[in-house]
Amino acid sequence: DQQVKQNSPSLSVQEGRISILNCDYTNSMFDYFLWYKKYPAEGPTFLISISSIKDKNEDGRFTVFLNKSAKHLSLHIVPSQPGDSAVYFCAASAQGGSEKLVFGKGTKLTVNP
Amino acid sequence: DTAVSQTPKYLVTQMGNDKSIKCEQNLGHDTMYWYKQDSKKFLKIMFSYNNKELIINETVPNRFSPKSPDKAHLNLHINSLELGDSAVYFCASSQVGRGGEAFFGQGTRLTVV
Repeated sequence: DQQVKQNSPSLSVQEGRISILNCDYTNSMFDYFLWYKKYPAEGPTFLISISSIKDKNEDGRFTVFLNKSAKHLSLHIVPSQPGDSAVYFCAASAQGGSEKLVFGKGTKLTVNP
Repeated sequence: DTAVSQTPKYLVTQMGNDKSIKCEQNLGHDTMYWYKQDSKKFLKIMFSYNNKELIINETVPNRFSPKSPDKAHLNLHINSLELGDSAVYFCASSQVGRGGEAFFGQGTRLTVV
């Protein structure tokens, strides 16, 4: 029972273009959403988050959009750089609960020079 | 100066053995976790400790026993290792009230042969 789904296992974009990574969730109790970036043989690194009271959060080249009615969020990376090539995990938590993170399966982003 | 460090990074052992993975965080966080990334790449929470108290136990077999001597340390002991225990185990920590925004260690790749 996947509560957080990333339906695209991989994405390839050209350097300088926009990368859009998508994530869907099913649990209405989730009220905090996070994106993590993971390089091989390393642990996930926190990238950006958004609370359910917002629909957009921006940090430099990274923007996360949240559509609560559709239970969908997306991560936009503009412009994409080769160093952005990694696996991106979407995660969700319920702040009023245990705050454990529920992860999607990840999307492998490749940014081609 | 690593924020969340876990040892060892690689662990190869035979079925039936008992092994431990150690984790330490120097971020002053109240909550620590163990996550497991299986062969299908799903990252799933196993345990969560808050100030040395067990908060989450996600139906993990009794062979897995976390130990938290203080709030900066959370070790994972595994008894009678099985082939299916082969995975990457990640330690993480977070501060309460941050929506589960966790900082992860580099992971321990456990291979049971």
